[in-house]
Amino acid sequence: AQSVAQPEDQVNVAEGNPLTVKCTYSVSGNPYLFWYVQYPNRGLQFLLKYITGDNLVKGSYGFEAEFNKSQTSFHLKKPSALVSDSALYFCAVRDYGIQGGKLIFGQGTELSVKP
Amino acid sequence: DADVTQTPRNRITKTGKRIMLECSQTKGHDRMYWYRQDPGLGLRLIYYSFDVKDINKGEISDGYSVSRQAQAKFSLSLESAIPNQTALYFCATSDTGTGSGNTIYFGEGSWLTVV
Repeated sequence: AQSVAQPEDQVNVAEGNPLTVKCTYSVSGNPYLFWYVQYPNRGLQFLLKYITGDNLVKGSYGFEAEFNKSQTSFHLKKPSALVSDSALYFCAVRDYGIQGGKLIFGQGTELSVKP
Repeated sequence: DADVTQTPRNRITKTGKRIMLECSQTKGHDRMYWYRQDPGLGLRLIYYSFDVKDINKGEISDGYSVSRQAQAKFSLSLESAIPNQTALYFCATSDTGTGSGNTIYFGEGSWLTVV
């Protein structure tokens, strides 16, 4: 079965420092990987996705993610964190084989960026 | 205006009451989904619909029902609400297209508290 794991419940970063939010996956076949962000009272917003091609994917708000097939990882990164990046981040894999192509989510990582 | 609109955004209801959450979308997508978010569990699929005449159960459908009134409208009902259905509920949409790379877009969520 397809699955994703986010090994860190919380990540704390100082403003201006680089940030990484980790995600590992387990899929059969080619992975279709996504990152979403949830700001308080703002719903779930799409950040970026990896389907095929370049292993470095660029997304919204200056975020990028690196797909690493050998390590089965899809870590979210940003070179310089902002306080406004503080939010809950979800990694997900799309399982097209069952249940309408549903997204299977990790448990989420709370990112806190301090001034 | 949001592409995926959910109403109500917040609702408190009593155990045993019937409650309906409504969703409408302006993205012209065929596929619609209802997810439930619980702390530490990520999001889990309740129901999904490929089109008006095609509705399917997700992984946690017990205690829920849905209705796809039109391509743009997909409602979720709790026939007899119970406290463990207290959660944040998300409606989502996706184009059918080809391949698994189509992004799933989410509404802003509906907070439901069952007392």
